[in-house]
Amino acid sequence: GAGVSQSPSNKVTEKGKDVELRCDPISGHTALYWYRQRLGQGLEFLIYFQGNSAPDKSGLPSDRFSAERTGESVSTLTIQRTQQEDSAVYLCASSSGLAGGYFQETQYFGPGTRLLVL
Amino acid sequence: QKEVEQDPGPLSVPEGAIVSLNCTYSNSAFQYFMWYRQYSRKGPELLMYTYSSGNKEDGRFTAQVDKSSKYISLFIRDSQPSDSATYLCAMMLAGNKLTFGGGTRVLVKP
Repeated sequence: GAGVSQSPSNKVTEKGKDVELRCDPISGHTALYWYRQRLGQGLEFLIYFQGNSAPDKSGLPSDRFSAERTGESVSTLTIQRTQQEDSAVYLCASSSGLAGGYFQETQYFGPGTRLLVL
Repeated sequence: QKEVEQDPGPLSVPEGAIVSLNCTYSNSAFQYFMWYRQYSRKGPELLMYTYSSGNKEDGRFTAQVDKSSKYISLFIRDSQPSDSATYLCAMMLAGNKLTFGGGTRVLVKP
């Protein structure tokens, strides 16, 4: 499809395990964003990629969270030693990056990965 | 205090009514203001964005920004059941980090 895709759509894990969440942005989009959405709450910014670099990772909540992007395409968000408070929907978005990833660009969101940590 | 406050609702209206949504914010440096619509189990989609104070209209949707009061609004005219969703306001400083409100759940009853 032409939109942003994320996998898995749902993930249940046990506390202490590591998880990897994947995002496939729209083809050709150089800017990529990760957000977290807790139940009934708005989106929290986690990290932003321009190409394969992350000029803004200020939203990552702890050093258990990391993300990488390769080939200016797929991105993976990794959560190590998961905790129950990590349960949330993790959303990925991409934008064209033509304006350097600035506000003028509409961010297109994927459907999210629903993570439940037991 | 959160940077962006938004009543969670739910807001229930009859079909055809005007839906009125709003957000307040504390950071006077915000320059760009957006409204997103999020259907259940979907990612948000951008509805409207405005820069600085003023009004913007797009079809049945009108966005208003009052920077002096740190208050933004979204109005939906002639509401339809398909408008039932969660509406999120978002704001941006220069750059691309969006700060979101918690969302208002809207239910338009046929």
